[in-house]
Amino acid sequence: TQLLEQSPQFLSIQEGENLTVYCNSSSVFSSLQWYRQEPGEGPVLLVTVVTGGEVKKLKRLTFQFGDARKDSSLHITAAQPGDTGLYLCAGDTDTGNQFYFGTGTSLTVIP
Amino acid sequence: NAGVTQTPKFQVLKTGQSMTLQCAQDMNHEYMSWYRQDPGMGLRLIHYSVGAGITDQGEVPNGYNVSRSTTEDFPLRLLSAAPSQTSVYFCATAGTGWGDTEAFFGQGTRLTVV
Repeated sequence: TQLLEQSPQFLSIQEGENLTVYCNSSSVFSSLQWYRQEPGEGPVLLVTVVTGGEVKKLKRLTFQFGDARKDSSLHITAAQPGDTGLYLCAGDTDTGNQFYFGTGTSLTVIP
Repeated sequence: NAGVTQTPKFQVLKTGQSMTLQCAQDMNHEYMSWYRQDPGMGLRLIHYSVGAGITDQGEVPNGYNVSRSTTEDFPLRLLSAAPSQTSVYFCATAGTGWGDTEAFFGQGTRLTVV
């Protein structure tokens, strides 16, 4: 059983559409990060959220950490083909020594 | 600027063989870790280290050994390879714990056990 469940697992949309990816858990996290991974590469950090209810914006990407610090969402506005990739959430439950990753969402943006 | 270097990039093993996956970093990071990535399961933590001489188990440690004799290197050993260990392996480092710092990943090692 994964500590962090992401939905949807796969997403294929047209360029210009909006989308939201969800990351859910029954556990409380001290902080949560979102990564993006391209084929043949390691994940690259997009953002870290640490406060319940926190919202961070990175250009067309909006990240939200749930009030109870058990869930998070990633919203992309006007998706572009360059947004294509695997999106992973990752959370730190307590000590900061074990970082758990979500199941991943594979996004394809069609031109 | 090498960052995190993993070798080899690809490897095919026969069941029962042993091998070592290498991970080296030049960022003077205290924290290093090994993950495996399987389709639909994200990344799962195998072992991690918070500094030279200190290692601990993650979610899926069985069948793997690690050691941390220097800050720079964190090798992962497969003792007796099994088909279930077919996966893509990633090494990741961070300055301290991950809570408020960025983690850096290597490019991965794709391992096939036949």
